[in-house]
Amino acid sequence: GAGVSQSPSNKVTEKGKDVELRCDPISGHTALYWYRQSLGQGLEFLIYFQGNSAPDKSGLPSDRFSAERTGGSVSTLTIQRTQQEDSAVYLCASSLELAGQYEQYFGPGTRLTVT
Amino acid sequence: DAKTTQPNSMESNEEEPVHLPCNHSTISGTDYIHWYRQLPSQGPEYVIHGLTSNVNNRMASLAIAEDRKSSTLILHRATLRDAAVYYCILRSPNTGFQKLVFGTGTRLLVSP
Repeated sequence: GAGVSQSPSNKVTEKGKDVELRCDPISGHTALYWYRQSLGQGLEFLIYFQGNSAPDKSGLPSDRFSAERTGGSVSTLTIQRTQQEDSAVYLCASSLELAGQYEQYFGPGTRLTVT
Repeated sequence: DAKTTQPNSMESNEEEPVHLPCNHSTISGTDYIHWYRQLPSQGPEYVIHGLTSNVNNRMASLAIAEDRKSSTLILHRATLRDAAVYYCILRSPNTGFQKLVFGTGTRLLVSP
């Protein structure tokens, strides 16, 4: 079946511009996560959605970062006034979150480059 | 947060078994041990997880020490496609059962 998809696969933007990154989770998965991976920091958690609500936003690095999820499905991560340190691969994952089935399925990521 | 320690890198030859160790001496009684791997230019992928007993699935086996302070991921016959970074992760309800906290992992190199 279809896995987690993310768009765009690559995004180059100028410093100070806003960007939106999209994640389409596996159909029926109630949980959705955003992570990012950069050379200096490794893989780090950003935010977690259960349905449309976000019980854990502890990883968002600043108030320039926000995310929403609609219809218990698609999620959008928005970065306002991008900075060079925002350059990273942004990964989305989804999970069924049923007993014994907590594994997370990751998308291919969006590579963001801020120039 | 309970942390894990893994070697930075390991090497193997194709079709040989690979044993990837992970130390987690501060593991709590409710922590599950999860393994993920990340192939080049891809997102991480789930491999296996366990609590106390050894586990087997189509990808690998997980051997957990009796005191649970260490575990070993076993790839029975390495292939070139198994070259990846392998992450050993503890999932604890105390930190939010849902998120994964990645360390630096072990980079596995597989030679033909």
